[in-house]
Amino acid sequence: AQKVTQAQTEISVVEKEDVTLDCVYETRDTTYYLFWYKQPPSGELVFLIRRNSFDEQNEISGRYSWNFQKSTSSFNFTITASQVVDSAVYFCALSVPDTGRRALTFGSGTRLQVQP
Amino acid sequence: GAVVSQHPSRVICKSGTSVKIECRSLDFQATTMFWYRQFPKKSLMLMATSNEGSKATYEQGVEKDKFLINHASLTLSTLTVTSAHPEDSSFYICSARPLAGGKDTQYFGPGTRLTVL
Repeated sequence: AQKVTQAQTEISVVEKEDVTLDCVYETRDTTYYLFWYKQPPSGELVFLIRRNSFDEQNEISGRYSWNFQKSTSSFNFTITASQVVDSAVYFCALSVPDTGRRALTFGSGTRLQVQP
Repeated sequence: GAVVSQHPSRVICKSGTSVKIECRSLDFQATTMFWYRQFPKKSLMLMATSNEGSKATYEQGVEKDKFLINHASLTLSTLTVTSAHPEDSSFYICSARPLAGGKDTQYFGPGTRLTVL
């Protein structure tokens, strides 16, 4: 079975601070995909990144960066110089294609509040 | 990018009525669509996997007779909440996996907020 843990339920920062959202996953499969989604108050999920299990390179996209560490089964997400518009719930998710279960297993989400 | 629509975006109904939610892939074909449910301030939980032309696969604890899923074409899946009750009030989100997909791509719809009075 797969599991995704986001231990931080809610984080509050002041604008321009850096913030890291933690994600720890569990799976016995060697082939899997990890995702991060942003869910603003409107409810619509906004895709941020997908990473496959064979690519441990860290990725940077503007103010966003992701640190994938297989050794610790973590896929952490950092927002640099946070902005009020970053306020949302962020979900980490996992899919394991080889099991035929292609649906995403989501973590419980981290609510980020960026104060002006 | 690929677009998935859901209709309606918001629905309020009386207890005991049935509500149909549509999920459409607008610019791609999808053999597989997924239905998720999200309670307020909670995570998304998979309800069922909908496969075109065959019966849906329901997750443990999800009543198949209550949540009827039909995937009649490669671009449309419907979820019907039968005899809805207040505890069915939730945010329902679908996602679609392209027929020619790679990297386990899924595209999510904008969600449907159901309120049962």
